[in-house]
Amino acid sequence: KAGVTQTPRYLIKTRGQQVTLSCSPISGHRSVSWYQQTPGQGLQFLFEYFSETQRNKGNFPGRFSGRQFSNSRSEMNVSTLELGDSALYLCASSFQGAYGEKLFFGSGTQLSVL
Amino acid sequence: AQSVTQLGSHVSVSEGALVLLRCNYSSSVPPYLFWYVQYPNQGLQLLLKYTTGATLVKGINGFEAEFKKSETSFHLTKPSAHMSDAAEYFCAVPAPHSGGYQKVTFGTGTKLQVIP
Repeated sequence: KAGVTQTPRYLIKTRGQQVTLSCSPISGHRSVSWYQQTPGQGLQFLFEYFSETQRNKGNFPGRFSGRQFSNSRSEMNVSTLELGDSALYLCASSFQGAYGEKLFFGSGTQLSVL
Repeated sequence: AQSVTQLGSHVSVSEGALVLLRCNYSSSVPPYLFWYVQYPNQGLQLLLKYTTGATLVKGINGFEAEFKKSETSFHLTKPSAHMSDAAEYFCAVPAPHSGGYQKVTFGTGTKLQVIP
């Protein structure tokens, strides 16, 4: 069974641009979560989707958005990039996204904002 | 709000020595606790998961964690460190007020260095 796939692996953007990251969950998993990982703030929850609906959102500005498609694949978008958005963005999937359920992570997209 | 605290951002052990990584949880006893591991340039992988009622939880790669309510701790141990154990380890807990859905709060992580 293929794992969680994130594309692209690396991205370099400049301030003010926008970026879209993609995540394909494990087959059969309907929940997709996104996390931002930085050396200063650690791992922070961005949002979680299940059946194309956002069920939870973290404390991030509106520039961070996401969506999920009918095949459970998910994308997250960051508009008007800032230097502080440089981070490793991790996607995780689980079967139902239930409280306490195990997460399966992708290898992440490393975003550098110049 | 429920959170976890990891003591020590960096831990160094010699190959073959005991590994002890510390995690304490806040407030009430959580129904679940996790330890995840992140190898260089990779995502996180679940090592083990605590569910209510367990005391000693066994995980993959020879790791285990003991839940101690009296100490609000869930420390991760391995009797003998391998070079391949060098990674960053995260303690984690499901966030409260998540509507019963998936939202996890992670500790700040502990980087384990194994010295040959």
